[in-house]
Amino acid sequence: DAKTTQPPSMDCAEGRAANLPCNHSTISGNEYVYWYRQIHSQGPQYIIHGLKNNETNEMASLIITEDRKSSTLILPHATLRDTAVYYCIVRVANTGNQFYFGTGTSLTVIP
Amino acid sequence: DSGVTQTPKHLITATGQRVTLRCSPRSGDLSVYWYQQSLDQGLQFLIQYYNGEERAKGNILERFSAQQFPDLHSELNLSSLELGDSALYFCASSARDPVGNEQFFGPGTRLTVL
Repeated sequence: DAKTTQPPSMDCAEGRAANLPCNHSTISGNEYVYWYRQIHSQGPQYIIHGLKNNETNEMASLIITEDRKSSTLILPHATLRDTAVYYCIVRVANTGNQFYFGTGTSLTVIP
Repeated sequence: DSGVTQTPKHLITATGQRVTLRCSPRSGDLSVYWYQQSLDQGLQFLIQYYNGEERAKGNILERFSAQQFPDLHSELNLSSLELGDSALYFCASSARDPVGNEQFFGPGTRLTVL
């Protein structure tokens, strides 16, 4: 199964863009990259996902490198409510649709 | 609100006991997934059901079992409970099983084994 590597923690000033990196060098061609976040002990919240192309929605943008070995989640204008643990996940193909969560990045948005 | 409901929110029980956690997926979702989150293990996938049938197994102990009923709700049964089973248990659902579907997580059940 494809593994992901994320920095354990990051800080970001409120109102600035938060750029969260993720390495997934062993990703297979048909595996998607997903981003979820978990605020305190709440259920993980879906943010965005993509296969090859960059994606944008109302919450964030996802930039995937051309070789697909890494990606960056961008929160364009971070707020205090964006403080959370952010998980980058690569879906394991052909074994159902379950997610394998790593340790994630703990993002702290500073006033 | 993800649309996934879990009951109970909190559960406190003793070692050796048996408990049942319940999950109702979003309306129309056929897949249900169970995850365990403990302090030292992070979020671990346990098991998946799709339209009533077991689809995939993760790190689920033999003391644990699950099922999905015809109305698509699911139950996770934990028996012979140990102190180490204390954790948050999350249920998630997704619409169908093709690649690319996101999962929506419920608020979780916090299990404390004393």
